[in-house]
Amino acid sequence: SQELEQSPQSLIVQEGKNLTINCTSSKTLYGLYWYKQKYGEGLIFLMMLQKGGEEKSHEKITAKLDEKKQQSSLHITASQPSHAGIYLCGADGTGTASKLTFGTGTRLQVTL
Amino acid sequence: DSGVTQTPKHLITATGQRVTLRCSPRSGDLSVYWYQQSLDQGLQFLIQYYNGEERAKGNILERFSAQQFPDLHSELNLSSLELGDSALYFCASSSRPDNEQFFGPGTRLTVL
Repeated sequence: SQELEQSPQSLIVQEGKNLTINCTSSKTLYGLYWYKQKYGEGLIFLMMLQKGGEEKSHEKITAKLDEKKQQSSLHITASQPSHAGIYLCGADGTGTASKLTFGTGTRLQVTL
Repeated sequence: DSGVTQTPKHLITATGQRVTLRCSPRSGDLSVYWYQQSLDQGLQFLIQYYNGEERAKGNILERFSAQQFPDLHSELNLSSLELGDSALYFCASSSRPDNEQFFGPGTRLTVL
């Protein structure tokens, strides 16, 4: 079965600083999804990456999928308190996007 | 607001009981997914329905069952509840099985 490892597990950054979260898969990814979750709440879809080398940006968040499609990174520029939460990567290992496997999450705190 | 609704928001019940969780997908979405999120297991895929038919199955216990109705809403039935079933249960929907999934706010189940 596919396993996803996220690093770091938790992160505390000062407002305005940049940060990167990594997601590494044990198998080739057909698709990689990034979600954000506020504690105890639903997941908010951020981005989906499917092609090797693909990069997408939305506001101050950029996600990349490496050429070999086994690792993705999420980069936040000039972090704000609103970026705080748990970031989860989800992987499609079958090409059907049905059975998404999720990483254990990265908890981000942004201090003033 | 993702457009996916789940009821109830909270549910407290006793061991051995049976409960039903309900999900209404986003307007026009044919696929519905159920996930369980617990502290020790993380976010786990349970089952997917597409236009009324079961499409994919994950780590769903035999005590759990789901269905999708003609109006596309879905129900997840949990029976013979155990303490370990306490978790957040999320429903997600997508327009096509290979599209990004949008998550509902979740139902928090507490089994006492």
